[in-house]
Amino acid sequence: SAVISQKPSRDICQRGTSLTIQCQVDSQVTMMFWYRQQPGQSLTLIATANQGSEATYESGFVIDKFPISRPNLTFSTLTVSNMSPEDSSIYLCSVLSGMDHEQFFGPGTRLTVL
Amino acid sequence: DQQVKQNSPSLSVQEGRISILNCDYTNSMFDYFLWYKKYPAEGPTFLISISSIKDKNEDGRFTVFLNKSAKHLSLHIVPSQPGDSAVYFCAASGGGADGLTFGKGTHLIIQP
Repeated sequence: SAVISQKPSRDICQRGTSLTIQCQVDSQVTMMFWYRQQPGQSLTLIATANQGSEATYESGFVIDKFPISRPNLTFSTLTVSNMSPEDSSIYLCSVLSGMDHEQFFGPGTRLTVL
Repeated sequence: DQQVKQNSPSLSVQEGRISILNCDYTNSMFDYFLWYKKYPAEGPTFLISISSIKDKNEDGRFTVFLNKSAKHLSLHIVPSQPGDSAVYFCAASGGGADGLTFGKGTHLIIQP
C-alpha cells in the first residue's frame, strides 16, 4: 500500500481566511481523492484529482471554495477558501490502488475555524 | 439521501467472541464494497473488500459477506481482540475511478 502524508496535521484558522492542505504520496498514482469528515459525520467525497486534468467536484462542492492542484503523480493540494466555522472538519486525501478498487488514506488534517 | 447505511452507531462484544458489523445500501449501481477501520486522529485503514460478483471474501480473522438481493453486507471478526476496538466504516463504489460513498460508522468496543 502507498504511504501518504498530509500537511498540516491540524490548524486553527480565523473565518474569512484560506488554508492549503498538502498531500504527498511515496509512489506515482493516477487517481487521488479529497474527502472531508465533519464532526460526528461520515466521510464525504469532495473531488477527484487526476494529474494533468481539472479536478471533478461532487454535488455541493465548487472549485471556487475548494480549489485543487495536481501538479504531478505524487502530490496534490486542496485549498479551503474564505473559511467559515462550518468548514471545521477533518480533510483527508486518498489514492486509488490498482487492486480491487481499494483506496488508501492519509492521516488527515484537522481544521478548526473560529 | 443516505446511500450507505450503518444502523448501529455502537457495538460491544466480549473478547474472543464474534463481532458482526452490518451495512445496507440502496444504490444498485455499486460494484465494490469495502470496510475500513479508523482510530481517533488517524486516517481510515483498509481492511477488506468484496466485489458484487462474489458473496464472501475472507482474510484472516475478517470475513465480509454480501447479499446483493437484500443490498446488505456484513463484516465478521473472529475472534475479536482488544485492538479491534475502533470505528468501522462501510464504503461502496461504482467501480473504475469512482470515489467512495461511506456509511456513518459503527464504534466497536471489545470488552476484556
